[in-house]
Amino acid sequence: DAKTTQPNSMESNEEEPVHLPCNHSTISGTDYIHWYRQLPSQGPEYVIHGLTSNVNNRMASLAIAEDRKSSTLILHRATLRDAAVYYCILRDIGSSNTGKLIFGQGTTLQVKP
Amino acid sequence: EAGVAQSPRYKIIEKRQSVAFWCNPISGHATLYWYQQILGQGPKLLIQFQNNGVVDDSQLPKDRFSAERLKGVDSTLKIQPAKLEDSAVYLCASSLIGQGATNEKLFFGSGTQLSVL
Repeated sequence: DAKTTQPNSMESNEEEPVHLPCNHSTISGTDYIHWYRQLPSQGPEYVIHGLTSNVNNRMASLAIAEDRKSSTLILHRATLRDAAVYYCILRDIGSSNTGKLIFGQGTTLQVKP
Repeated sequence: EAGVAQSPRYKIIEKRQSVAFWCNPISGHATLYWYQQILGQGPKLLIQFQNNGVVDDSQLPKDRFSAERLKGVDSTLKIQPAKLEDSAVYLCASSLIGQGATNEKLFFGSGTQLSVL
């Protein structure tokens, strides 16, 4: 599976936008970009996913570079409840797809009041 | 909609003892996953079931870990005997289809935190 690179940690102020970067230079044509987050003492939860075009949902936006070698998760207005570990995961939906997710280290986001 | 249920929430045992974790996935979900998360690391897949068959157990330490999913619903993960390095959070997840699905979500439980002393 292709790998992703994320910063270990980031800080943000409450009510400001947050841009969480992810590099995936070896991404293949059948890899979707998924983001999950893990709040303290909880299991990971789905945030958003995309292939080529930018995506928006009620939780966040996903901006994907034109060459697909990087992407950015955007939280438009961070709240204290957004403090979590954010995982950027490439998911191959080709013939080898088993449905599993392979997690890296993720980015720990701190939100300051 | 009820989420993925796991029990117990916490477990403390001594090394060489045995322990079992239980998971009840979301109703109707065909695929069930067990992940191990060591402090400070991302979750690592131990085993994946599709209904009651094993899809992937390549990362499961089979000399001490075992898992089963009876009737394709609930699942138990057992460690016998436990080692100090097994201290971790054990997460269960489920998805509707799993293998062969295009892009579905995984839903995770809150996990069982195991401390081996």
